Amino acid sequence: EPEVTQTPSHQVTQMGQEVILRCVPISNHLYFYWYRQILGQKVEFLVSFYNNEISEKSEIFDDQFSVERPDGSNFTLKIRSTKLEDSAMYFCASSRVHTYEQYFGPGTRLTVT
Amino acid sequence: GENVEQHPSTLSVQEGDSAVIKCTYSDSASNYFPWYKQELGKRPQLIIDIRSNVGEKKDQRIAVTLNKTAKHFSLHITETQPEDSAVYFCAASIGGSYIPTFGRGTSLIVHP
Repeated sequence: EPEVTQTPSHQVTQMGQEVILRCVPISNHLYFYWYRQILGQKVEFLVSFYNNEISEKSEIFDDQFSVERPDGSNFTLKIRSTKLEDSAMYFCASSRVHTYEQYFGPGTRLTVT
Repeated sequence: GENVEQHPSTLSVQEGDSAVIKCTYSDSASNYFPWYKQELGKRPQLIIDIRSNVGEKKDQRIAVTLNKTAKHFSLHITETQPEDSAVYFCAASIGGSYIPTFGRGTSLIVHP
């Protein structure tokens, strides 16, 4: 059964550094999403992406964040200048068009020191 | 925006007992309610969902009920097994948006 994959599984970075989190959505899916989960808190929506552009974004997704689909398979989340409060688990998800069912990746744990 | 509250935060049961997790939502425009199971260190997985035109849905040992008037929905697990131990998240999506708002999660512990 196809699955969403994410790399790396754990990323440690220093405050102020740029990080890129990578995701490979399920191959026939056309909607892509990023979520984050701060330790002990709820999963929060960041951004959705369809047809090579952002379709929705939350208040969390400010100018420090960007997303890109650089090729036919990868979907990336970039944080330009990380802050301590960016430490969280970041989940990528994908879905077919016109469906609510989203399939999550295993997550990347980002630790900002 | 939508707000989803989930209770309890922790639920401990004996193997074979039933477990019930409850969620409430604030936006009456929400019409899709998925439940996710997240085992330790693993990804959230969709286990069951319900749409607002249905009051109850069952899939083997799990069932979800929805009360649109009261704006609450519940997950019921019968004959619990140790492998049911995980964190369960409820969520609600507003009609026309595919973006779920999640509850805080319930840590279910099933003791053998």
